[in-house]
Amino acid sequence: DADVTQTPRNRITKTGKRIMLECSQTKGHDRMYWYRQDPGLGLRLIYYSFDVKDINKGEISDGYSVSRQAQAKFSLSLESAIPNQTALYFCATRGAGRGPQHFGDGTRLSIL
Amino acid sequence: AQSVTQPDIHITVSEGASLELRCNYSYGATPYLFWYVQSPGQGLQLLLKYFSGDTLVQGIKGFEAEFKRSQSSFNLRKPSVHWSDAAEYFCAVGSYNTDKLIFGTGTRLQVFP
Repeated sequence: DADVTQTPRNRITKTGKRIMLECSQTKGHDRMYWYRQDPGLGLRLIYYSFDVKDINKGEISDGYSVSRQAQAKFSLSLESAIPNQTALYFCATRGAGRGPQHFGDGTRLSIL
Repeated sequence: AQSVTQPDIHITVSEGASLELRCNYSYGATPYLFWYVQSPGQGLQLLLKYFSGDTLVQGIKGFEAEFKRSQSSFNLRKPSVHWSDAAEYFCAVGSYNTDKLIFGTGTRLQVFP
């Protein structure tokens, strides 16, 4: 089983719909992150969390919200999806200290 | 402002040729650096990391990178490219003062037989 699991892997939906992307991890890491990837722009940070009670905005948080339901679960929501939120979304985790971030396989989201 | 630049959007090499992917960073604090690889339909896999010490670091799949503080660079190299190396490569920088990484925009590598 993957250490960082994202569901769904693919989603097509319509403008105005509410969408939730889920991320769960078995690595026991405290830190979790949500990124979006757009062609030519690399990865941009949406939200990150150091633990269940510590959630922080990244560089592009507008239009998104998150919930850290447990140490192992970190969900990203789009309250009212718009077409320019069409992107590839990644969840990542990191342990304490100086370790690298570990990524899930991504969710490809298309908003029509 | 903190930034990471990967000047080459797309690189094409022949199988067996050597490879160097460039990464330059602008960071006020002492950085730590990563290279990740992304194959189609996959997440990002860590190739190697630099925190301190020896400036030449070895990674997985035969890759290495050299940290050059004077040039603010962390270029990725491989002496002989395999067709399976075709992917997108991302450089990322962080620091001991922040928990966030800044990613470059990526370099797409194409390998011809």
